[in-house]
Amino acid sequence: DTGVSQNPRHKITKRGQNVTFRCDPISEHNRLYWYRQTLGQGPEFLTYFQNEAQLEKSRLLSDRFSAERPKGSFSTLEIQRTEQGDSAMYLCASSPSSDPGTEAFFGQGTRLTVV
Amino acid sequence: SQKIEQNSEALNIQEGKTATLTCNYTNYSPAYLQWYRQDPGRGPVFLLLIRENEKEKRKERLKVTFDTTLKQSLFHITASQPADSATYLCALELGTYKYIFGTGTRLKVLA
Repeated sequence: DTGVSQNPRHKITKRGQNVTFRCDPISEHNRLYWYRQTLGQGPEFLTYFQNEAQLEKSRLLSDRFSAERPKGSFSTLEIQRTEQGDSAMYLCASSPSSDPGTEAFFGQGTRLTVV
Repeated sequence: SQKIEQNSEALNIQEGKTATLTCNYTNYSPAYLQWYRQDPGRGPVFLLLIRENEKEKRKERLKVTFDTTLKQSLFHITASQPADSATYLCALELGTYKYIFGTGTRLKVLA
């Protein structure tokens, strides 16, 4: 296992188009997180899953954003009708335990550019 | 409002010196505090975890302190090396399995 894998690494899309990103967590990690990061800022929480259940979704996440984790393995993040303000690095992380405080393992991220 | 603040200015230090980074928070009561390192174009990498009932934690050249009264954590890198140059992020875990990150401090160690 080589860690958390995210695809694609880069995505350029036109405003108004839909995009979907994929995250493959480390095997057996039951928690999976999505974050968004813009230049000069720290990662901003979007949502997280415990197995296949989406337990929390940030209020900052508009209805254009949706995330799924079918079967509790990989996850997808979809952005509909993209806007230029959606341009950012989208980071996925997974965690091996239900215990709070456990470290999160991050992927390399997907950099989205909306033109 | 809830905030996590880290030194917004980049920190430049000479090789061999100790780097000290600050993480201040308001209106949170974290059960855990973590520090991560992030290199350009890459995801954060976990470094250290400290619990609310711990004052200090060490790992090799790294040391973290946690003062819940001051609502502050300090992150020290002793005998710093150019390879330590990166952005360092603190993250609060509130006991709800959600990590809230600070803005990060960019550290540059000069040879």
